[in-house]
Amino acid sequence: EIVLTQSPGTLSLSPGERATLSCRASQSVSSSYLAWYQQKPGQAPRLLIYDASSRATGIPDRFSGSGSGIDFTLTISRLEPEDFAVYYCQQYGSSPGTFGQGTKLEIK
Amino acid sequence: EVQLVESGGGLVQPGGSLRLSCAASGFTFSTYGMHWVRQAPGKGLEHVCAISSNGGSTYYANSVKGRFTISRDNSKNTLFLQMGSMRAEDMAFYYCSRGTYTGIRPDRFDYWGRGTLVTVSS
Repeated sequence: EIVLTQSPGTLSLSPGERATLSCRASQSVSSSYLAWYQQKPGQAPRLLIYDASSRATGIPDRFSGSGSGIDFTLTISRLEPEDFAVYYCQQYGSSPGTFGQGTKLEIK
Repeated sequence: EVQLVESGGGLVQPGGSLRLSCAASGFTFSTYGMHWVRQAPGKGLEHVCAISSNGGSTYYANSVKGRFTISRDNSKNTLFLQMGSMRAEDMAFYYCSRGTYTGIRPDRFDYWGRGTLVTVSS
């Protein structure tokens, strides 16, 4: 089973700043099958990025994903107030698919 | 508009059973693999199980294998999760989610329901 480790656990930033979230896999993620989700309190997760760098339908272009192999990054170029949430990465290249433990993005 | 609406959550005693349902609309349900993902309160996400578009193939996480059964009724656009021999560690929000393949291979989830809470307690 591939273990995904997200860092940092909590990221404190201000609106307008750039956010960089990391997801490291315990072994290479096949075909860069890596997704990012956003979850706000009391809501279901929402798919942001799939296949490491493709934006899901309706996702603003301030969200971007990059990486391959074992290291992946989610970047939010200019934080909007609605971006403060918990972010999860997920690999679906190997069975079982697994999630990271999450990064909480909070307002500084 | 794609909609997934879960129901059936509630309080169940350890060792008991519960059946969750997920009503799907806004897409051709019979052409998508479907999944259940759970989240213990304040914790992370766990993929619990999956079913192929025609119901012929299923996948279960080791944590629920032999206790949970996923099924679907394509004539009613509904997904089910029958949970048995329930344990305290099964307490979680259970989300119905849509995959992007017809099968049960590991997948990303492009639409999610709002979830239903299952509480396991005596």
